[in-house]
Amino acid sequence: DVVVTQSPLSLPVTLGQPASISCRSSQSLVFSDGDTYLNWFQQRPGQSPRRLIYQVSKRDSGVPDRFSGSGSGTDFTLKISRVEAEDVGVYYCMQATHWPPITFGQGTRLEIK
Amino acid sequence: EVQLVESGGGLVQPGGSLRLSCAVSGFTFRTYWMSWVRQAPGKGLEWVANIKEDGSEKYYVDSVKGRFTISRDNAKNSLYLQMNSLRAEDTAVYYCARGYSSGSYWLDYWGQGTLVTVSS
Repeated sequence: DVVVTQSPLSLPVTLGQPASISCRSSQSLVFSDGDTYLNWFQQRPGQSPRRLIYQVSKRDSGVPDRFSGSGSGTDFTLKISRVEAEDVGVYYCMQATHWPPITFGQGTRLEIK
Repeated sequence: EVQLVESGGGLVQPGGSLRLSCAVSGFTFRTYWMSWVRQAPGKGLEWVANIKEDGSEKYYVDSVKGRFTISRDNAKNSLYLQMNSLRAEDTAVYYCARGYSSGSYWLDYWGQGTLVTVSS
């Protein structure tokens, strides 16, 4: 199984400051078709997960442009350019290149400092 | 508007069974893979199962193989998860999510979840 490891697991951030979350996989996430199936999700307190980013860097509809995804191979990053209060929650990366199983990272809890 | 609405959760004794349902609307259900994902209390997300558009292929996480069965009824726009031989470690909120279709790359829409509690 592909192991997906996030860091940090806890991320205190001052409002208006940038934030960055790392996601590393135990093997390359490039699929045979050349695409990379690495997604990022946000889960606000008490809510269902919401997909923010798919295929490494493509932003879902309605997602603010302060969220961006980057990376390749085994190393990926979610960046928030300026953290707002509504960004509090847990962020997960997920790989669907090598499945089953689809695997998620452990989650990174973002809080306001 | 895409909507997924789960139902069927509740309290069940260890060894018991439960059937979860997910009613979907707002998209052409029969053209998507569909997924179940669960989240134990205070824990992270765990993928449980996928089913192909026509139901011909099904995949499970190892911990539920032989106990859980994913199915779908494309005429009713519904997804199901039959859970047998339930264990305490199956206690979680179960989410149905839209899986894969060309142009929609896995888990872009989620339901509100239904809580399953396995306890005596």
